[in-house]
Amino acid sequence: IAGITQAPTSQILAAGRRMTLRCTQDMRHNAMYWYRQDLGLGLRLIHYSNTAGTTGKGEVPDGYSVSRANTDDFPLTLASAVPSQTSVYFCASSADSNNEQFFGPGTRLTVL
Amino acid sequence: GQNIDQPTEMTATEGAIVQINCTYQTSGFNGLFWYQQHAGEAPTFLSYNVLDGLEEKGRFSSFLSRSKGYSYLLLKELQMKDSASYLCAVVEGNYQLIWGAGTKLIIKP
Repeated sequence: IAGITQAPTSQILAAGRRMTLRCTQDMRHNAMYWYRQDLGLGLRLIHYSNTAGTTGKGEVPDGYSVSRANTDDFPLTLASAVPSQTSVYFCASSADSNNEQFFGPGTRLTVL
Repeated sequence: GQNIDQPTEMTATEGAIVQINCTYQTSGFNGLFWYQQHAGEAPTFLSYNVLDGLEEKGRFSSFLSRSKGYSYLLLKELQMKDSASYLCAVVEGNYQLIWGAGTKLIIKP
């Protein structure tokens, strides 16, 4: 692994289903983030983690949950997907909360 | 409240110079980032300003005026590969990053 990876690359999901988006980084970064990007709205922060074992809510946290059991992994879970969660999801990491963020390649999620 | 404004779209000619502006109103300020995002790809870091003035990095420069809540990204000697969206993001007082909607830059031959 080099940098930050996300899985899956894309997914079509039926409404009401549970889904976990995976994110892994090998840079030993303390901080990690989940964003959604919708046309015309820019990046919006869903949840973040400043260090392993802690998480916080961003601008649009409803319907999403995260965990940070270790430094490398930061999964995002949609407990019961709804069509408004159709978006491109980016995971990012940074050495600390005030540093440059490195982004994963993104997951394109469609909820029908 | 928090607000970051950038033009939605700009067009420029290959070989020319373009300036992309960003104005912001945020709760505190701890720096400003510019990122580049090609269509269908992830954003990548271009520059970071925390003090007033101009930061130059090759063909790209970024300027900050904290008193005016204003920054710009200057791209010189434009190349076709510079066609992308340019995102302005401000680090607020609580160290959260607030993102503008981005400026789509179209380069014409």
